[in-house]
Amino acid sequence: NAGVMQNPRHLVRRRGQEARLRCSPVKGHSHVYWYRQLPEEGLKFMVYLQKENIIDESGMPKERFSAEFPKEGPSILRIQQVVRGDSAAYFCASSLRTAATNEKLFFGSGTQLSVL
Amino acid sequence: SQQGEEDPQALSIQEGENATMNCSYKTSINNLQWYRQNSGRGLVHLILIRSNEREKHSGRLRVTLDTSKKSSSLLITASRAADTASYFCATDEGAQKLVFGQGTRLTINP
Repeated sequence: NAGVMQNPRHLVRRRGQEARLRCSPVKGHSHVYWYRQLPEEGLKFMVYLQKENIIDESGMPKERFSAEFPKEGPSILRIQQVVRGDSAAYFCASSLRTAATNEKLFFGSGTQLSVL
Repeated sequence: SQQGEEDPQALSIQEGENATMNCSYKTSINNLQWYRQNSGRGLVHLILIRSNEREKHSGRLRVTLDTSKKSSSLLITASRAADTASYFCATDEGAQKLVFGQGTRLTINP
């Protein structure tokens, strides 16, 4: 009964490289959310996806960041040309239905991105 | 936008005491949820309270919701060292995503 699986757990990139973060939701969940967390801070919403669709990307920077949740396979958060300010923990969460329907989120253990 | 704001930011108490954390939010909600995060880990759901509920219990947890004041509180009774963690409230903002507050860092001293 696997929960949300994120990989890699730690990712080190040099400035200008690309970072790809993967998230496999709980089996049967079609709603995926990505959050970013800086040390000692709360989670900042980035993007909400439902299978093959981006529902809300209001928290995601317009440039360099993109997300997808294909019909088959994990959700991917992609950061192009990383900068030091992108260093953070990135968490993925999934749910059976949307948060507005009184659904709880299941979180992965996160990917800690470090940009050198 | 940050919806929930927790208070206090940090709380340190002795084992066995009760811990109370507060959360305020700005817009109308369908539900409010509390989550716990141990250091370096993902969040774990604790309890959900709907907008038409005023109080909810789960084990040693008690959550209240006052929609007129747009606030909620989480009470942990008879605290244990293992309760040391950060606690976050989250609201749906009437939308389809959860927005989290900054959290309360709770330390239980043995």
